[in-house]
Amino acid sequence: KQEVTQIPAALSVPEGENLVLNCSFTDSAIYNLQWFRQDPGKGLTSLLLIQSSQREQTSGRLNASLDKSSGRSTLYIAASQPGDSATYLCAVTGGATNKLIFGTGTLLAVQP
Amino acid sequence: DTGVSQDPRHKITKRGQNVTFRCDPISEHNRLYWYRQTLGQGPEFLTYFQNEAQLEKSRLLSDRFSAERPKGSFSTLEIQRTEQGDSAMYLCASSSFASEQFFGPGTRLTVL
Repeated sequence: KQEVTQIPAALSVPEGENLVLNCSFTDSAIYNLQWFRQDPGKGLTSLLLIQSSQREQTSGRLNASLDKSSGRSTLYIAASQPGDSATYLCAVTGGATNKLIFGTGTLLAVQP
Repeated sequence: DTGVSQDPRHKITKRGQNVTFRCDPISEHNRLYWYRQTLGQGPEFLTYFQNEAQLEKSRLLSDRFSAERPKGSFSTLEIQRTEQGDSAMYLCASSSFASEQFFGPGTRLTVL
């Protein structure tokens, strides 16, 4: 059974700092990995999708990497801003239906 | 707005009542997913549709839950005889073949 773990559960950093969020999964037979952002009481916003054949994806200040063999992904946020404060969720897909299996998220607070 | 929409955004009901939620996916997406999220947890998969066919249901989807997607367009999720444990955020997502999933804003259900 696939399990996804995110470390740390919560993180507080001063504005401008670069930071790394970690995601690990137990079964390397994934189709792709997706990072999401969730603001309190809101739905999920897709940030980056990494297909299993890819090693990384970049969007603006965000860079996500994938190492399937070790079951790990990282989300790097450069020059953090208070507007980046949110919960960040990692999810992997697999199987015929490509359903997402989520971690419990990292709650990020960027202090001005 | 061409994103995923959900209605209602909030629903408060008394225990034992039936409730129905609606999801309108992105128009060209043939895959539709329902997830449930409780406080402090990542979303958990409930069910999956490919066009109008319901191809997978989670064990979380008890007999009180039913979902439909008539004509492969919008989808409804009905909960009969609601219980306090059903209180959660119900999220809908859509995608085209095996690609990035896009989420709606969710329906927050509170069962009193």
